[in-house]
Amino acid sequence: EDQVTQSPEALRLQEGESSSLNCSYTVSGLRGLFWYRQDPGKGPEFLFTLYSAGEEKEKERLKATLTKKESFLHITAPKPEDSATYLCAVHAVRGSEKLVFGKGTKLTVNP
Amino acid sequence: GAVVSQHPSWVICKSGTSVKIECRSLDFQATTMFWYRQFPKQSLMLMATSNEGSKATYEQGVEKDKFLINHASLTLSTLTVTSAHPEDSSFYICSASRSRDEQFFGPGTRLTVL
Repeated sequence: EDQVTQSPEALRLQEGESSSLNCSYTVSGLRGLFWYRQDPGKGPEFLFTLYSAGEEKEKERLKATLTKKESFLHITAPKPEDSATYLCAVHAVRGSEKLVFGKGTKLTVNP
Repeated sequence: GAVVSQHPSWVICKSGTSVKIECRSLDFQATTMFWYRQFPKQSLMLMATSNEGSKATYEQGVEKDKFLINHASLTLSTLTVTSAHPEDSSFYICSASRSRDEQFFGPGTRLTVL
């Protein structure tokens, strides 16, 4: 069964304090790993898709990396507006376009 | 961009009534749409996969007769919660696939059943 585990569940940072969020996954064959940002009461906002080990993608203060077992979302010099829940999801090779989501990491950045 | 809308954004209904939620892809055609449910402080739980012109595929444990899904066109899918009860109160989110590797989410619908 495909599984996604995110850690930590919650993370508090001071503005400017860089850190990383982890997403570990177990899937029979990885077609893609997705990162989303979700603000309270809103739908997830697409950030990145990673396809193969070694791949990296960046967007502003965020950088996502991928290995064969996990993905990291690095946040450099975060700002309060980066506060949100970050969701990781995997898309398996076989079957439908269904995504399997982790429970998310709630990030709070204090000014 | 790829925009997905949902209507209504929130709804309050009485127990026993039915509620319809619409999901539209505004600037692309989506052969596949998904419906999720999210409880407070929980992640998204896939309810069903909706393919245009065919019957929806429901996840295990989701009652197909209670959660009716219709995907009438390449830009519209609807979820009808029939005979709603308080335990159906939740945040319902749809997503639409622009391609096999791109899935975009709507803003969600907050359902409260009194």
